[in-house]
Parts: sequence; structure tokens; C-alpha cells
Amino acid sequence: SYVLTQPPSVSVAPGQTARITCGGNKIGSKNVHWYQQKPGQAPVLVVYDDSDRPSGIPERFSGSNSGNTATLTISRVEAGDEADYYCQVWDTSSDREVFGGGTKVTVL
Amino acid sequence: QVQLQESGPGLVKPSETLSLTCTVSGDSISGHHWSWIRQPPGKGLEWIGYIYDSGSTNSNPSLKSRLTTSLDTSKNQISLKLSSVTAADTAVYYCARVGGYESSGYYLDYWGQGTLVTVSS
Repeated sequence: SYVLTQPPSVSVAPGQTARITCGGNKIGSKNVHWYQQKPGQAPVLVVYDDSDRPSGIPERFSGSNSGNTATLTISRVEAGDEADYYCQVWDTSSDREVFGGGTKVTVL
Repeated sequence: QVQLQESGPGLVKPSETLSLTCTVSGDSISGHHWSWIRQPPGKGLEWIGYIYDSGSTNSNPSLKSRLTTSLDTSKNQISLKLSSVTAADTAVYYCARVGGYESSGYYLDYWGQGTLVTVSS
């Protein structure tokens, strides 16, 4: 089955840029979606279809996808961005949605 | 504003059936697809399955044999039943509305707050 690999953690200073990667075999051929989950809360969609943002999501959140890596970029990081982030794709070989293991973003 | 609320027993005995309901407000469940997702304590997200606006379903192969999902349009609710549960089924269970298209890949644009279900005797 398809595996999505995310780094367990990313640390970033306020005002800097955080990049969260999601690795998968030829992931560039798939549409990737990203979710933010704060402690004790449900996930929130922050990027869909690789790089589109739902209404209400700040422009600071952006996505890209090419080759074997998709990336969620958070610019001008704020304390409120501290959360777990998950990527998601559809695996055609096993006919199911797959989530990455999640990346905990810590704002220093 | 679309809101989803999961409800059901918080404690289920091993080998019994876990039953949850997701009540949707602010939108009709007709014309949308819906999904269930779960998250074991301290772990990541696991997709359980989709129920399409037609009532047909697509489930995680690892759960398919134990899973039943359905729509009740009269109550604007989605239901989930998972049979023969074990401790491994202990998790926060979320329902979510599905966005996007099959051709480009679905995403989950509105989520319920989740409900913790513990499997224990």
C-alpha cells in the first residue's frame, strides 16, 4: 500500500518560514491535501489540491507538489500555527485514502 | 455555517458493536459525500470510509468486513457501525464532509469535533 512519510517534528522561530514535507512514490502525480490539528481539536483543511486554500485560511499557508515530495509552507510563522500537520492522498492501488504520520510544528 | 456533531456511547465492550451518529446542521446531507475518520489516542489519522450521496460506500479494506455506514436524510444524519470491536478500535471518531471530485481526489472540508470511544470490559 501507499506510504506517506512526514518528519515527526519541525521547529521554527516566529516570523520565519516552516516547510513540512510529505514524501511518497511519484506523489507529484497525485493531488495532496493538508490538515492542521491543534491539541484537543478536530483537523482543519488548510490546503487542498496541492496548492489551493479554503476560504478563511491565511495566504501564509501555501503548498507545492512535485516528483516524490509535497511541501506545505507556512510563511511568517506565528505562535498560533503551533500544531500537528497531516498530508493526505488517495491511493489508487489499495482504493483508500492515506494520511501521513503527521508533523508537529513547534514555534520557538 | 456547516456543523457536524458526532454522538454515541463512549464505552463499548470487546466483541460488541460500536455505533455512532453524525448530525449535520447548516447543510443538507443530500448532494454531498461524507466520511468517517478515526484517531487513536496520541496517534495519527486513519480513514475509515466514504458514504456517497447515492448511499453507496467505499471503505478502508482493513475495516470493510466489520463496517456499516448509512445515510438518514429525514434526520440529516450519517451513521457508522463497527462490529466485533477490540481495544485496537479505541479512538476519537470524526465525521467529515467530503469536498472535491473523484477525478482530482477528495478532501475533507468540514469536520465534527470528534467523539472518544473506548473499547474495554
